[in-house]
Amino acid sequence: GAVVSQHPSRVICKSGTSVKIECRSLDFQATTMFWYRQFPKQSLMLMATSNEGSKATYEQGVEKDKFLINHASLTLSTLTVTSAHPEDSSFYICSANAGLALRTMTDTQYFGPGTRLTVL
Amino acid sequence: DQQVKQNSPSLSVQEGRISILNCDYTNSMFDYFLWYKKYPAEGPTFLISISSIKDKNEDGRFTVFLNKSAKHLSLHIVPSQPGDSAVYFCAASANAGGTSYGKLTFGQGTILTVHP
Repeated sequence: GAVVSQHPSRVICKSGTSVKIECRSLDFQATTMFWYRQFPKQSLMLMATSNEGSKATYEQGVEKDKFLINHASLTLSTLTVTSAHPEDSSFYICSANAGLALRTMTDTQYFGPGTRLTVL
Repeated sequence: DQQVKQNSPSLSVQEGRISILNCDYTNSMFDYFLWYKKYPAEGPTFLISISSIKDKNEDGRFTVFLNKSAKHLSLHIVPSQPGDSAVYFCAASANAGGTSYGKLTFGQGTILTVHP
């Protein structure tokens, strides 16, 4: 199946610093990538939709100036958490749309392994 | 508001038996539904999906049933295996032309434990 990687898998930073998380589709091109966050024992919440070559679309309540998204190529999207604070500590997951999956004949999003961000 | 709900936070099943995971939704615009399996500190893995034009989709041990009038879907796993133990999320997509191309709304997840 399609593979999506995220880097880093885990990051600990001091309050006030910025952290960049990369999401890569390794064996396919993804015009659309999505960024989610998950708090412990809660659902995945969509933060934004990232389209290659255009501005990201943010969900209601997500600060676009705090969570900067760049989708510079068909295989890479980045999420930068600017001036991170302890409340930004969470599990961040990206997904990429793999287009038509021949076996199932459906469009399917493939998820990365996630990045655990801890802000001290 | 929680548009996709999984009201059972956990389910425990004996190996070989059937596991039934339930999911309810409130948004009548949802037209595509997916089930994902997730292990701790990992991203979700796609399991099976169903379009709103169908009421059943089967893939090996996994079957998803959709009851549009009740706005309810369920995932059946039979026979259940210890390796199926994980968190299962249902997700829904709206106005996506019957695909998951659009954004997904997830339920809270159900922890499935399959005992040997």
